[in-house]
Amino acid sequence: SQQGEEDPQALSIQEGENATMNCSYKTSINNLQWYRQNSGRGLVHLILIRSNEREKHSGRLRVTLDTSKKSSSLLITASRAADTASYFCARQYSSASKIIFGSGTRLSIRP
Amino acid sequence: DGGITQSPKYLFRKEGQNVTLSCEQNLNHDAMYWYRQDPGQGLRLIYYSQIVNDFQKGDIAEGYSVSREKKESFPLTVTSAQKNPTAFYLCASSIGPGTALGNEQFFGPGTRLTVL
Repeated sequence: SQQGEEDPQALSIQEGENATMNCSYKTSINNLQWYRQNSGRGLVHLILIRSNEREKHSGRLRVTLDTSKKSSSLLITASRAADTASYFCARQYSSASKIIFGSGTRLSIRP
Repeated sequence: DGGITQSPKYLFRKEGQNVTLSCEQNLNHDAMYWYRQDPGQGLRLIYYSQIVNDFQKGDIAEGYSVSREKKESFPLTVTSAQKNPTAFYLCASSIGPGTALGNEQFFGPGTRLTVL
């Protein structure tokens, strides 16, 4: 399957700690995107990283891409209760193909 | 206030009935998408459209139909041929055309369909 894996499936951390989620894929990508979904809501785009980029930042979010290992990670620093959500990576394998979503990581922030 | 809207938020259907889910966007996006999400799972693509009057099947199109008569609207019909339609349905759009498929997608709030 081209979908690859996201891990962990679920993550529970204390408020203030950092959270790291990983996304792997099996064939070369054009770009990779991270989305957040609060329970019962639509997805919200967080960051898009292209195959020629290695790292991007947005506020407390840091995304890295290692094309040699075919993996990406999303780091959320200084977590807050409002970060509780599911996080999905979506891969685009070629510039003409549609993106494919993984099954996500459910993040819970304990107060 | 630009965005993408879906209606209704909750929908109940009897077995054997067709039902249509609405999706409207005022973002002037060319591409629109329909996804299905089952509990605890990711999104699976049902249909997508890159331009008005054109659409393509996604990974799980059987039992669904769409139309794209206007740029702003991409309604999804869940037909009686869909054997397990109870799910959360999400509509999205992205700027286009051309490389639209790889661009950031903007999502609506979703419609939760339950078959009674």
